[in-house]
Amino acid sequence: DVVMTQSPLSLPVTLGQPASISCRSSQSLVHNNGNTYLHWFQQRPGQSPRRLIYMVSNRDSGVPDRFSGTGSGTDFTLKISRVEAEDVGVYYCMQTTHWPPWTFGQGTKVEIK
Amino acid sequence: QVQLVESGGGVVQPGRSLRLSCAASGFSFSNYGMHWVRQAPGKGLEWVADILYDGSNINYVDSVKGRFTISRDTSNRMLYLQMNSLRVEDTAVYYCARDPGDGFDVWGQGTTVTVSA
Repeated sequence: DVVMTQSPLSLPVTLGQPASISCRSSQSLVHNNGNTYLHWFQQRPGQSPRRLIYMVSNRDSGVPDRFSGTGSGTDFTLKISRVEAEDVGVYYCMQTTHWPPWTFGQGTKVEIK
Repeated sequence: QVQLVESGGGVVQPGRSLRLSCAASGFSFSNYGMHWVRQAPGKGLEWVADILYDGSNINYVDSVKGRFTISRDTSNRMLYLQMNSLRVEDTAVYYCARDPGDGFDVWGQGTTVTVSA
């Protein structure tokens, strides 16, 4: 199984400041077809998960452009350029390259200082 | 609009059964693989089971194999999760999610399953 490791697990951020979350996989997420199936989800308090970024760097419809995803192989990053109050929640990376099982990172809790 | 609505959760004793349902609307249900994902209280997300768009392939996480059964009724746009021999560690919010092939893009609001004596 592919193990997804996020860091940090807790991220206190000042409003308006940038934030960065790392996600590392136990093996390369490059599929045989050349695509990399690494995705990011946001889960606000009391809500269902919501996909923010798919296939490393593609923002979902309605996702503010302050969110961006980068990375390759086994090393990926979600960046928030300027944190806003509505960004509070838990962020998960997930891989769908090697399955089953589909696997998630442990989650990173973003909170306002 | 595109929507998934789960139902069927509740409080049950260990060893009992429960069937979860997920009603899909606003999209061509028959074109998508579907998944169940759960979240134990205060914990992260755990993939549970999936079923291909035509029901031809099914997978389960090891901890539920032999106890849970995923199925779909395409004509009624429904996804199901039959959960037998429930354990305390199955306590979680269960979400259904749509899979377009590039990550789970639509999630339901979740239904809560509590297994307790």
